[in-house]
Amino acid sequence: KAGVTQTPRYLIKTRGQQVTLSCSPISGHRSVSWYQQTPGQGLQFLFEYFSETQRNKGNFPGRFSGRQFSNSRSEMNVSTLELGDSALYLCASSRGPGEMREKLFFGSGTQLSVL
Amino acid sequence: DQQVKQNSPSLSVQEGRISILNCDYTNSMFDYFLWYKKYPAEGPTFLISISSIKDKNEDGRFTVFLNKSAKHLSLHIVPSQPGDSAVYFCAASTYGGATNKLIFGTGTLLAVQP
Repeated sequence: KAGVTQTPRYLIKTRGQQVTLSCSPISGHRSVSWYQQTPGQGLQFLFEYFSETQRNKGNFPGRFSGRQFSNSRSEMNVSTLELGDSALYLCASSRGPGEMREKLFFGSGTQLSVL
Repeated sequence: DQQVKQNSPSLSVQEGRISILNCDYTNSMFDYFLWYKKYPAEGPTFLISISSIKDKNEDGRFTVFLNKSAKHLSLHIVPSQPGDSAVYFCAASTYGGATNKLIFGTGTLLAVQP
């Protein structure tokens, strides 16, 4: 069974640009969550989707948005990039929301560098 | 406001010895705790969990202890092996909600010396 796939693996952008990151969950998984990892902050929750609906949102500005498609694939978008947005963005999938949290499977992430 | 704290950024132990990683939390609503392990260039992988109705959970070489009154949990690895060298994240959640939202600590880098 293929794991969680995130594309691209690496991305370099400049301030003011926008970026879209993609996540394909494990087959059969319908819940997708996004996290931002930075050296000083650890992993911070961005948002969670299930059945194309955002179920939960973290404390991030409106420049961060996401969506989920009918095939459970998800994208997140960051507009007007700032230097502080440089981070590893991780996607995680599970069968459903709140269902055995230990069964949250993470992708390898997209490393975004903003210059 | 860091609700889950891992105050030791790094830890170095000798192979065969015990590794103890610590985690503190401030939100008394948390009732489910997990440890994740992360190697470079890979996503975190689930290691072990504990609910607030227990004070100990074991899985092979890994044991998690929970002290609710102190809002503290720890992960013990015995014996430590070089392959255990990784970043360990503590995470917490409220089990009752229909959500996969986890609150993570900042991580502890464990180095097991051969």
